Amino acid sequence: SYELTQPPSVSVSPGQTARITCSGDALPKQYAYWYQQKPGQAPVLVIYKDSERPSGIPERFSGSSSGTTVTLTISGVQAEDEADYYCQSADSSGTYGVFGGGTKLTVL
Amino acid sequence: QVQLQESGPGLVKPSQTLSLTCTVSGGSISSGSYYWSWIRQPAGKGLEWIGRIYTSGSTNYNPSLKSRVTISVDTSKNQFSLKLSSVTAADTAVYYCASGTTTVGSFGLDYWGQGTLVTVSS
Repeated sequence: SYELTQPPSVSVSPGQTARITCSGDALPKQYAYWYQQKPGQAPVLVIYKDSERPSGIPERFSGSSSGTTVTLTISGVQAEDEADYYCQSADSSGTYGVFGGGTKLTVL
Repeated sequence: QVQLQESGPGLVKPSQTLSLTCTVSGGSISSGSYYWSWIRQPAGKGLEWIGRIYTSGSTNYNPSLKSRVTISVDTSKNQFSLKLSSVTAADTAVYYCASGTTTVGSFGLDYWGQGTLVTVSS
């Protein structure tokens, strides 16, 4: 079945820029979504349709897409951004959803 | 503002059927263009998409679970449900119900329940 690939971990210092990638063959055809999940909490949607930001999500969160890779960028990382981040998309036919394996963002 | 709350047994015996319900408040489950979804997360692991039902009643399932999963809607109770048959220990996880409107894209999930832990054990 279809898979999305994320790096297991990313580390940045406060104030720096964090970039988390997600790769999948169907990403040119299907939108990507990004979720932030903190320990013991439900995920929160931070980016939808590749690059749109829901209301209430800080402007430092942005998304981009290039071919089979999508990227979540967090500019000016803050300590509160330390969390697991998951990309999500669908198979090429839009028949079922799939999540990436998740990336643990550590703020040094 | 849609709010979701999962409910159901926290312990299920192997080979039995796991049944969970998600109660929707703050809106009607049959109005608008919503996808009503189930996602699970084993302890210490990532998210797994289980399936969804659209306002129209059409369903989509994860191919790896399709033979065991049924998602349905009860409009009279403003609820949607998950049934997973022939469970094993590998089905032990926190189960989330979630929803998204077509505004955020056909697979986006902008509302989530708090999650409920289901353990499969004899």
